[in-house]
Amino acid sequence: GAGVSQSPSNKVTEKGKDVELRCDPISGHTALYWYRQSLGQGLEFLIYFQGNSAPDKSGLPSDRFSAERTGGSVSTLTIQRTQQEDSAVYLCASSLAGQGFSPLHFGNGTRLTVT
Amino acid sequence: TQLLEQSPQFLSIQEGENLTVYCNSSSVFSSLQWYRQEPGEGPVLLVTVVTGGEVKKLKRLTFQFGDARKDSSLHITAAQPGDTGLYLCAREYYTGNQFYFGTGTSLTVIP
Repeated sequence: GAGVSQSPSNKVTEKGKDVELRCDPISGHTALYWYRQSLGQGLEFLIYFQGNSAPDKSGLPSDRFSAERTGGSVSTLTIQRTQQEDSAVYLCASSLAGQGFSPLHFGNGTRLTVT
Repeated sequence: TQLLEQSPQFLSIQEGENLTVYCNSSSVFSSLQWYRQEPGEGPVLLVTVVTGGEVKKLKRLTFQFGDARKDSSLHITAAQPGDTGLYLCAREYYTGNQFYFGTGTSLTVIP
């Protein structure tokens, strides 16, 4: 597809379980971002990948959160031992970083509910 | 922190009214983007402003970047129900193209 694709669109998990969220960015976009959004709120920065550089992990809220980006394309955000406060919409975005003031192109997010 | 404060947080108006929402920071932006997000979707870019004092118009939407590049506003003329959504500003960190988003303004336009 032409846009950013995220899967699953919805995920319900029990407290303490691990979850993996997937993001397929737009082909050719070198920058990839993960954000978290609580109901009706702004976006909380989690992690940023740019090309082959070391990712900026400064926004990850705890060591239960990790992310990787394989082959400069697909990214997976993993949350271990999920807690109820992890419930939110997780948004992925990609951009042509380094191409002037490139906009972020977002997927429709994964709505995570921890019961 | 890269804090961007938006106001008001919530706004409910009648169709045809005008409104302004604000995005403020204590530090200088290299550039600022405005996005609109509809329920169940990701944010979509509306505009990028770069130069202090810059004004950009997008149909009934007018975006202004403050002279000191620390604040921005979005003015909507004759609001329509289709304008309903969450309006987000985002600043680009001065290196590395990292974006931090504001707290958002949730707009509801009542027919």
